[in-house]
Amino acid sequence: GENVEQHPSTLSVQEGDSAVIKCTYSDSASNYFPWYKQELGKRPQLIIDIRSNVGEKKDQRIAVTLNKTAKHFSLHITETQPEDSAVYFCAASRRGSSASKIIFGSGTRLSIRP
Amino acid sequence: DSGVTQTPKHLITATGQRVTLRCSPRSGDLSVYWYQQSLDQGLQFLIQYYNGEERAKGNILERFSAQQFPDLHSELNLSSLELGDSALYFCASSVGRESYGYTFGSGTRLTVV
Repeated sequence: GENVEQHPSTLSVQEGDSAVIKCTYSDSASNYFPWYKQELGKRPQLIIDIRSNVGEKKDQRIAVTLNKTAKHFSLHITETQPEDSAVYFCAASRRGSSASKIIFGSGTRLSIRP
Repeated sequence: DSGVTQTPKHLITATGQRVTLRCSPRSGDLSVYWYQQSLDQGLQFLIQYYNGEERAKGNILERFSAQQFPDLHSELNLSSLELGDSALYFCASSVGRESYGYTFGSGTRLTVV
């Protein structure tokens, strides 16, 4: 079945440094890759997404890259700030088919050290 | 407010009991998805409905069932509850059949004692 692996499970970085979270997916038909941020006790919120026809997408301090051949995708956060502390989930989905559910990775708990 | 409404926010019940969780999708959204998040765990997909019909099923236990009504709200029924069913249950909605950027509700925290 579909599977999304996410690494690392925890990540601590100094404020101002960059953070990188990596994911791999198993379903080669996946074509939509969203990233969600979940603060403690809150709902997951979409922060950025990328479709399979694009290799990279950037939104201010956040960027995602996709390598379809290797079935890898990554989230990059630059100039980290305390409010970036949260759990981040990568996900993959096969948009355009009846099996369109989003499969989530296991999450990365990001802590920003002051 | 995301526009996806889940009730109740908190629920405490005893083992063996049955509960119903309710979700109203964003206005205009036809798809509803249910996810379970246990403590410090990821988001486990349970089931998806589109315009009243079941579209996809995940690792949903036989003790759990769901439905989507003509007004598009959805209910998740959990029966013969066990301690391990304690979790946050999220509902998400999207416009079409395709999960194109869900919007999540605030979740229902279920505690089984």
